[in-house]
Amino acid sequence: GAGVSQSPSNKVTEKGKDVELRCDPISGHTALYWYRQSLGQGLEFLIYFQGNSAPDKSGLPSDRFSAERTGGSVSTLTIQRTQQEDSAVYLCASSSPGTSGVDTQYFGPGTRLTVL
Amino acid sequence: GQQLNQSPQSMFIQEGEDVSMNCTSSSIFNTWLWYKQDPGEGPVLLIALYKAGELTSNGRLTAQFGITRKDSFLNISASIPSDVGIYFCAGSRGSNYKLTFGKGTLLTVNP
Repeated sequence: GAGVSQSPSNKVTEKGKDVELRCDPISGHTALYWYRQSLGQGLEFLIYFQGNSAPDKSGLPSDRFSAERTGGSVSTLTIQRTQQEDSAVYLCASSSPGTSGVDTQYFGPGTRLTVL
Repeated sequence: GQQLNQSPQSMFIQEGEDVSMNCTSSSIFNTWLWYKQDPGEGPVLLIALYKAGELTSNGRLTAQFGITRKDSFLNISASIPSDVGIYFCAGSRGSNYKLTFGKGTLLTVNP
């Protein structure tokens, strides 16, 4: 079946502009995650959605970052007034809750954001 | 915040060699995970470890959850060219979703 898809695969923008990144999770997965991966760094947790529960936004680095998940499926990560330090690969993952342990997260290919 | 120290940062090995990489932390983790990321792709889960001392294999990969719960290692035996990629460790401190990732080990295998 189809995996997690993200669009666009690459985005180049000018400093100060807003960008929207899209994630389509695996069908039926109730949990959705956003991560940021800067060059040479590990994945940095941004936000987590689970069903109709309030999202865990504790990883969002500033109020310029926001995310929505409409209808429990597609999610959009929005970065307002982009800065050069926002340049990174933004990864989305989804999972289906298990009975125990850490839920297995399935990652999309990411969106490479470059802020000039 | 929580940090995972992953080493080495990069490795260059010959095909057929064994390789080992590890992660350490000053904090206890309840779950350790190892992921592989190919260029232009997202990470893929290789092995999950849930119990201190646990040793788990997945084909040529073997990973262990340290007794102190502050470290884990991943071994790859008889490396092949398709093992090339970035390997990440990740840990959970009881959350079923919030993971802390290491900075990754870039593995290059020379045929």
